Amino acid sequence: QVRLVESGGGVVQPGRSLRLSCAASGFTFSSYAIHWVRQAPGKGLEWVAVISYDGSNKYYADSVKGRFTISRDNSKNTLFLQLNSLRADDTAVYYCARDVDVASARYYFDYWGQGTLVTVSS
Amino acid sequence: EIVLTQSPATLSLSPGERATLSCRASQSVSTYLAWYQQKPGQAPRLLIYDASNRATGIPARFSGSGSGTDFTLTISSLEPEDFAVYYCQQRSNWPRSFGPGTKVDIK
Repeated sequence: QVRLVESGGGVVQPGRSLRLSCAASGFTFSSYAIHWVRQAPGKGLEWVAVISYDGSNKYYADSVKGRFTISRDNSKNTLFLQLNSLRADDTAVYYCARDVDVASARYYFDYWGQGTLVTVSS
Repeated sequence: EIVLTQSPATLSLSPGERATLSCRASQSVSTYLAWYQQKPGQAPRLLIYDASNRATGIPARFSGSGSGTDFTLTISSLEPEDFAVYYCQQRSNWPRSFGPGTKVDIK
């Protein structure tokens, strides 16, 4: 079955960096765009970034543009999110989520991981 | 930027009752709208995409309707496992955005 497992979250000081990973299994990872979506504690959902199936296209929310970088390694079925210059308002559970469509990004998310919590605090 | 507004914020109903949730967009999103269900401590679950298409494995009691700026998620008869928070999400314009959610709780 489709499985997405995030890791790499933790407590980090403002201005520091963190790298999140998302390990995928149960489907052809290299055929799907994958997204990061985050949720601040007790708050709603915010789309963060997407990477195309082959890694050639990447798009970001304005709130993270220039600070976060999405990447993927299709040989290892793994997605990454590099978080730099972290701020308190980046505190959230970060989910990776698969796009519904094969080989394109429709920006609907049909499978989600369990999330990894990033806490930015001094 | 498209703003999604969901109403009501909280809906208190009993099992077996019909739930009607609303999502309104600040400008037209055509039918590029999805609905998700989220239970405490869990990831969201896709219910409906393109306004009215049920995702794989979603029970028929969930249905979506609407186009343009006004959308509805209907749960025809609430089951105990349906008490959760429901979010709408648009993919029509940048940035892709979610509504603030409607909590369906037990009356």
